[in-house]
Amino acid sequence: ETGVTQSPTHLIKTRGQQVTLRCSSQSGHNTVSWYQQALGQGPQFIFQYYREEENGRGNFPPRFSGLQFPNYSSELNVNALELDDSALYLCASSLSDTNEKLFFGSGTQLSVL
Amino acid sequence: EDKVVQSPLSLVVHEGDTVTLNCSYEVTNFRSLLWYKQEKKAPTFLFMLTSSGIEKKSGRLSSILDKKELFSILNITATQTGDSAIYLCAVEDSNYQLIWGAGTKLIIKP
Repeated sequence: ETGVTQSPTHLIKTRGQQVTLRCSSQSGHNTVSWYQQALGQGPQFIFQYYREEENGRGNFPPRFSGLQFPNYSSELNVNALELDDSALYLCASSLSDTNEKLFFGSGTQLSVL
Repeated sequence: EDKVVQSPLSLVVHEGDTVTLNCSYEVTNFRSLLWYKQEKKAPTFLFMLTSSGIEKKSGRLSSILDKKELFSILNITATQTGDSAIYLCAVEDSNYQLIWGAGTKLIIKP
């Protein structure tokens, strides 16, 4: 158990809908990163938040957006869902930018029909 | 474009065997290379490598980096069924962002 919790664990949506995924970071961690992992692939970096500000973004369109709250928990929002958005969404927390101490949650499995 | 390539994509061995997993990379502004184990959903950290030729070891697992030839290997000796997992390699760039390989799915048969 890493102390990083994500909700919901599974979600089914239809094309065009919007979804919000949530992540509670490990106690004391001020940085949250979000990743998309398609079946049979490695994680793809979506973006990172540090102290409530976006601190880096991968190659994802603007319909992927996020928030970090004062308690360092975070949300990932995806608008206008597409079939290809079906994936495991992983949240990871860390102290600052230390990838060695990156702790992952168990993910949200999103299926878009 | 930066990329990380792992091989083999999948591997089936028997308990007690030794396995070697490979990770090659082409990443500008390399900072470090990390190995993670993904059993169910959450990847867990194994090693971080920054210097060539220095082996990192944890129990039956070890890893080494070659920055000249741009690859790393992960060795697991005396494999056990609990080693069955997907092993992910990621390269950290100078912006501290991780570029991930597709993983090697390792299955250990009793």
